[in-house]
Amino acid sequence: GNSVTQMEGPVTLSEEAFLTINCTYTATGYPSLFWYVQYPGEGLQLLLKATKADDKGSNKGFEATYRKETTSFHLEKGSVQVSDSAVYFCALSDLMGADGLTFGKGTHLIIQP
Amino acid sequence: DAGVIQSPRHEVTEMGQEVTLRCKPISGHDYLFWYRQTMMRGLELLIYFNNNVPIDDSGMPEDRFSAKMPNASFSTLKIQPSEPRDSAVYFCASSFLGEQYFGPGTRLTVT
Repeated sequence: GNSVTQMEGPVTLSEEAFLTINCTYTATGYPSLFWYVQYPGEGLQLLLKATKADDKGSNKGFEATYRKETTSFHLEKGSVQVSDSAVYFCALSDLMGADGLTFGKGTHLIIQP
Repeated sequence: DAGVIQSPRHEVTEMGQEVTLRCKPISGHDYLFWYRQTMMRGLELLIYFNNNVPIDDSGMPEDRFSAKMPNASFSTLKIQPSEPRDSAVYFCASSFLGEQYFGPGTRLTVT
């Protein structure tokens, strides 16, 4: 079956630091990959996505590249802000989102001023 | 657009009671998903619908759980009877063309 593995954290960084959150996956076929963000007390929001190998998803300064050879989709941001503090989830879908998502356990990111 | 609406936002009930969670998807979305989030198991898909028809309910933990979608604008997730291990945050999400939009969740506590 499908699975997603990501570092669980918490990850604590200072403002303006470089961020990497690792995500690797196991899936049959060619899944679509997603990063979601969850702020305290809220639902998940789609941050970015990639639907095929070598695609780069980007949004709000975050980016991730779909690497089929390493089955990875690492999230990066060049300079984090306090407002980026949240829980980040890596997820995959077999049918470009038209089926249930398989999520990683989530990474709690804490940015200190 | 108001986004995905879930009610109630919080529910506290006693073991053995029936619990009904409600979801109104975004208008025009043709898929609806129910997920459960716990510290131990993370986010798990329970069931999803396409055009009001259940497609995959393999994630529903046991017969105590049931879900319905009587029309395109409403879905319910029912637990009867509830147990303490059902305590979790239950999310509803809807999608059109693949991007899933999540509601704020219902935090269920079963004592």
